[in-house]
Amino acid sequence: GDSVTQMEGPVTLSEEAFLTINCTYTATGYPSLFWYVQYPGEGLQLLLKATKADDKGSNKGFEATYRKETTSFHLEKGSVQVSDSAVYFCALRESADKLIFGTGTRLQVFP
Amino acid sequence: KAGVTQTPRYLIKTRGQQVTLSCSPISGHRSVSWYQQTPGQGLQFLFEYFSETQRNKGNFPGRFSGRQFSNSRSEMNVSTLELGDSALYLCASSYSGQLNEKLFFGSGTQLSVL
Repeated sequence: GDSVTQMEGPVTLSEEAFLTINCTYTATGYPSLFWYVQYPGEGLQLLLKATKADDKGSNKGFEATYRKETTSFHLEKGSVQVSDSAVYFCALRESADKLIFGTGTRLQVFP
Repeated sequence: KAGVTQTPRYLIKTRGQQVTLSCSPISGHRSVSWYQQTPGQGLQFLFEYFSETQRNKGNFPGRFSGRQFSNSRSEMNVSTLELGDSALYLCASSYSGQLNEKLFFGSGTQLSVL
């Protein structure tokens, strides 16, 4: 079945460092891909998405490109801030309202 | 516009009891889905409702059930609680559940089973 694999955390960075969180997927069709973020004590918020190959999703300085050839959707940010500390989830969606999530990667950014 | 509202925020139950969680979607949204979040299994899809009908179901035992009312509010029920049911239960809503519609998540109900 469909699945999402993302790198284990925690990822610990200093402020202004470059961030990469790897995400790869397995799907039978052509899913849409998402990154969600979860701040402490809160639900999930959509960070960015891409709906077809070579699409680049971007938001708040974060970017991810839908790579069909490598089945990947890695999250990147050029300069992280303390306020980016959260858990990041990669997800895919092939059918209505059924999201398949990765296990999440905790990001900790220190000043 | 109010967001997705889940009640209660926290619940403590004992093994063997049953529990009902509530989710009020964003006004106008007719699709509601439920997810279970645990440290070990991550986020897993439970089920999705649209216009009072269950359209999609994840791989959970029959102890997990849900329903949706005519005002789109949804409830999920877990009977005969087990320790492993301790989790954060998240509800998400969208207008009609189409593939590229944005999902809006609530803050969740944290269930602890003792």
